[in-house]
Amino acid sequence: DAKTTQPPSMDCAEGRAANLPCNHSTISGNEYVYWYRQIHSQGPQYIIHGLKNNETNEMASLIITEDRKSSTLILPHATLRDTAVYYCIVSLHSGNTPLVFGKGTRLSVIA
Amino acid sequence: SQTIHQWPATLVQPVGSPLSLECTVEGTSNPNLYWYRQAAGRGLQLLFYSIGIDQISSEVPQNLSASRPQDRQFILSSKKLLLSDSGFYLCAWNGLRYGYTFGSGTRLTVV
Repeated sequence: DAKTTQPPSMDCAEGRAANLPCNHSTISGNEYVYWYRQIHSQGPQYIIHGLKNNETNEMASLIITEDRKSSTLILPHATLRDTAVYYCIVSLHSGNTPLVFGKGTRLSVIA
Repeated sequence: SQTIHQWPATLVQPVGSPLSLECTVEGTSNPNLYWYRQAAGRGLQLLFYSIGIDQISSEVPQNLSASRPQDRQFILSSKKLLLSDSGFYLCAWNGLRYGYTFGSGTRLTVV
């Protein structure tokens, strides 16, 4: 059963920020929010993860609401190469708990 | 550095033929290993995962099997392929700190 809900598709103009939402209202206290993306014909690529606090790395920022029931992945300056399917996954931070991918959001960056 | 190798990149096999896909990881020990499949236009489906040699969990009952004869080797097999086995097969390992790292995948077409 899906633990997250994401819009099936989104468009973003090149150079603008892409904000990808994710709802995870049933998240438990020890579950993390992970984001991956999959560019066509490639394996998924890890982007970022977080538990409670907002996180930022060289690829993106992750904003988690205070109640942890939703989050937003932000690509600050989207490029055409960011066109991909983005997956939001809720999971324990344990190698013994495999990640289960949902359908994700297909982000199209438009020139 | 840690790398994951997966081969072959593409494979065309007749119905009823056997299958063997191999995945190896370098630069780490005792990795958690995973096999996923992505049918055309579909999401990622977890097939098998392994937390150690000869420790394999199956997520989906079907005509596929997995083995882990060595610490850093994970093999996906089938005795008789079905048309429905066609898809993009991805091996991954869990680096814990940086999330999953996926191989480049094998695109299998059963004809």
